[in-house]
Amino acid sequence: SYELTQPLSVSVALGQTARITCGGVDIGRRNVHWYQYRPGQAPLLVMWRDSTRPSGIPERFSGANSGNTATLTITRVQAGDEAEYFCQVWASNINYVFGPGTKVTVL
Amino acid sequence: QVQLQESGPGLVKPSQTLSLTCTVSGASITSGTFYWSWIRQSPGKGLEWLGYIHTSGRTNYNPSLRSRLVISVDTSRNQFSLRLSSVTAADTAVYHCAQGEGEDAFHIWGQGTLLTVS
Repeated sequence: SYELTQPLSVSVALGQTARITCGGVDIGRRNVHWYQYRPGQAPLLVMWRDSTRPSGIPERFSGANSGNTATLTITRVQAGDEAEYFCQVWASNINYVFGPGTKVTVL
Repeated sequence: QVQLQESGPGLVKPSQTLSLTCTVSGASITSGTFYWSWIRQSPGKGLEWLGYIHTSGRTNYNPSLRSRLVISVDTSRNQFSLRLSSVTAADTAVYHCAQGEGEDAFHIWGQGTLLTVS
């Protein structure tokens, strides 16, 4: 099976830059997607196929993927960005695999 | 704009069968070539994909749940459903339905419904 790793938490000061990593063997060869998850709300796709922002997602969100690490970067962090972020790939044996999630706290 | 809304009993006893429904609004569930999935988040755990039903009717399930899971569609009601048999406390989770486009991302999600096995 294919496994993804993420830091449990990331803390960032208001207005600064948050970087959330997603690790996996040769993940750079896969399309990585990112979701913003708040309890009680529908998860929101914030980055698609490594670095494509869906309609309505601010330019402050960007993505990159290379080697064994994919990264979601949020610049000029706002209080509303506080949430849990999950990465996801497609793996042939289990189909869809999610990372364990990173809780972003805005200080 | 497509919207998804889950519904379910909230509480199920161990060993029983859990049934959840996802109502699709804003589009026909049979239009396009979409994959209608169920995904859950257990307390303190991450997200787990359970399975999907394609607009063609083809299904695919997570190998860990294949023996207990059935996903079906009701085109007259524009809904798709999940039935999970022989539930245990480990099946307690928030269950989301989602729309995807194949071996790719889930573009639209429902807000989820909490299912407790007790």
